[in-house]
Amino acid sequence: DIQMTQSPSSLSASVGDRVTITCRASQGIGTSLAWFQQKPGEAPKSLIYGASTLQRGVPSKFSGSGSGTDFTLTINSLQVEDFATYYCQHYTDYPLTFGGGTKVEIK
Amino acid sequence: VQLLESGGGLVQPGGSLRLSCSASGFSFATNAMTWVRQTPDKGLIWLAAISYDGLNKYYSDSAKGRFTISRDNSKNTLYLQMNSLRVGDTAIYFCARTVAFEDWGRGTLVTVSS
Repeated sequence: DIQMTQSPSSLSASVGDRVTITCRASQGIGTSLAWFQQKPGEAPKSLIYGASTLQRGVPSKFSGSGSGTDFTLTINSLQVEDFATYYCQHYTDYPLTFGGGTKVEIK
Repeated sequence: VQLLESGGGLVQPGGSLRLSCSASGFSFATNAMTWVRQTPDKGLIWLAAISYDGLNKYYSDSAKGRFTISRDNSKNTLYLQMNSLRVGDTAIYFCARTVAFEDWGRGTLVTVSS
């Protein structure tokens, strides 16, 4: 099984900051990677698929990059509504697996 | 796109439940679908996936042998039959569109307890 490791597991940031979250796959997955945002009490929401393609309606302050085993999610100009938990997930093969999540908190 | 899960609830260990996921706003019959569950301690865990035509089904080790994914394209509905439920199956269960989880339902809570 492919393991997905996110770092950090949590971070504190201020409004207006730029934040970068990393996700590492235990083996190469090409660009078969998605990112999600989840707020408390809500379902996850798709942000990015194909490692770097924004889902419809997702603001361009979110960006994804990487291929193979190392990936990043960057959030520019952090706003109050961006404080949430972010997950990565690979879909190159079964079983599909998720990272453990990165909680972005207000400093 | 709208996905609406139903069928969750309280069940005793060893019992069964069938979850449903009603889909609208997209071409259900041309999309693979998946089930995933979430708990505070284990996070997001993929359970099962089914091809657009229902001919191919894939399961995680935790679902294999106890859970069955199916779909009825005439009803735009996805199902998850869960048998021999355990306390550890307690979770929020989500359905999602595609293996990249491009759209999610709001989830349904399954509680397995005596």
